[in-house]
Amino acid sequence: DAKTTQPPSMDCAEGRAANLPCNHSTISGNEYVYWYRQIHSQGPQYIIHGLKNNETNEMASLIITEDRKSSTLILPHATLRDTAVYYCIVRGAGGTSYGKLTFGQGTILTVHP
Amino acid sequence: SQTIHQWPATLVQPVGSPLSLECTVEGTSNPNLYWYRQAAGRGLQLLFYSVGIGQISSEVPQNLSASRPQDRQFILSSKKLLLSDSGFYLCAWSGTGALSPLHFGNGTRLTVT
Repeated sequence: DAKTTQPPSMDCAEGRAANLPCNHSTISGNEYVYWYRQIHSQGPQYIIHGLKNNETNEMASLIITEDRKSSTLILPHATLRDTAVYYCIVRGAGGTSYGKLTFGQGTILTVHP
Repeated sequence: SQTIHQWPATLVQPVGSPLSLECTVEGTSNPNLYWYRQAAGRGLQLLFYSVGIGQISSEVPQNLSASRPQDRQFILSSKKLLLSDSGFYLCAWSGTGALSPLHFGNGTRLTVT
């Protein structure tokens, strides 16, 4: 699976949009971009995933650049409960990548009042 | 809706003692099941995954083992714990599609003393 690069930490004011970037310049054509987050002492929580089109669900939006080498997770109105470590993961569909989510260090997002 | 249960939430065990962590999933059938471990300050490492009853794949050699006696039950075991087995153990499930997102339980924090 392709390697991802994320900033180690970011801050965001409560109520504002949080934009979390991720670089995955070696992504291949059949690999998807997944986002998870982990609140302290809890299991990771799935947020969203996409291939090349922008995606939106009740939690967030995912914007993938046209060349697919980077993406941005957007939390439109961040709350204090969104403070967590956010992981960007690239995952393929076949072979030995099955089920193997490779978690990097992620981005520590701190939402402040 | 689907839910995943892990227990216990915390566990302190002496070196050389046995281990049994249990995970069950509700609201779905024939899920893929996973055991991950997260060491302090590090990413998640896939230990075992299972695509069906009695079918276990091991990702890393170690003194841990896994079993799946029932469709929605996944057990992580050890006959003799080592200090290095301390960590945060997470069970997860996914649908059978190769790109189905993983959904994690709240984990068991194991301290081997």
